[in-house]
Amino acid sequence: EDKVVQSPLSLVVHEGDTVTLNCSYEVTNFRSLLWYKQEKKAPTFLFMLTSSGIEKKSGRLSSILDKKELSSILNITATQTGDSAIYLCAVGNTGNQFYFGTGTSLTVIP
Amino acid sequence: NAGVTQTPKFRILKIGQSMTLQCTQDMNHNYMYWYRQDPGMGLKLIYYSVGAGITDKGEVPNGYNVSRSTTEDFPLRLELAAPSQTSVYFCASRVAGGGELFFGEGSRLTVL
Repeated sequence: EDKVVQSPLSLVVHEGDTVTLNCSYEVTNFRSLLWYKQEKKAPTFLFMLTSSGIEKKSGRLSSILDKKELSSILNITATQTGDSAIYLCAVGNTGNQFYFGTGTSLTVIP
Repeated sequence: NAGVTQTPKFRILKIGQSMTLQCTQDMNHNYMYWYRQDPGMGLKLIYYSVGAGITDKGEVPNGYNVSRSTTEDFPLRLELAAPSQTSVYFCASRVAGGGELFFGEGSRLTVL
């Protein structure tokens, strides 16, 4: 059975801290791994990682894919209160299905 | 550019009623998806479609039906609504050949 597991389930940090969110997967015929940020409404896209693009960075956020360990991390440096959200990891297969983890709830305290 | 549009945004149903959640996208995406999101459970794939006339079951298809008669529209039908179908439903689309999922704003459904 295909599955995606995220850890920790929730995290509370102070502004300025650095956080690392984890995503591990067991998905047959892996094609891509996506990170999303979800506040009150729909998930918004952060990064897509594939075999040909295992590292992505945008401002204070960065992500790495480890295909050997079947996992990925999302790093957020110098956290701000606006980073408070649920972070979702999704893994896509060659059959065009996407499986989501349960998410990590991040709370950044001023 | 509207992207992915879902209607209605909110709906309350009585047990046993039926309804259709509408989803339309204007990006000419081949792939479309329906997910449900329950608290603390992430998103679960209900049905997906790789093009007009083609639909496939996802992880949790029971109690739902879909159709894909055009590239733009992918309605989700709930027959005989049950309290277990209380959830937030998201429609998403994606271009063929790769890329991220684009999500609609979601539809919150409550079955009482």
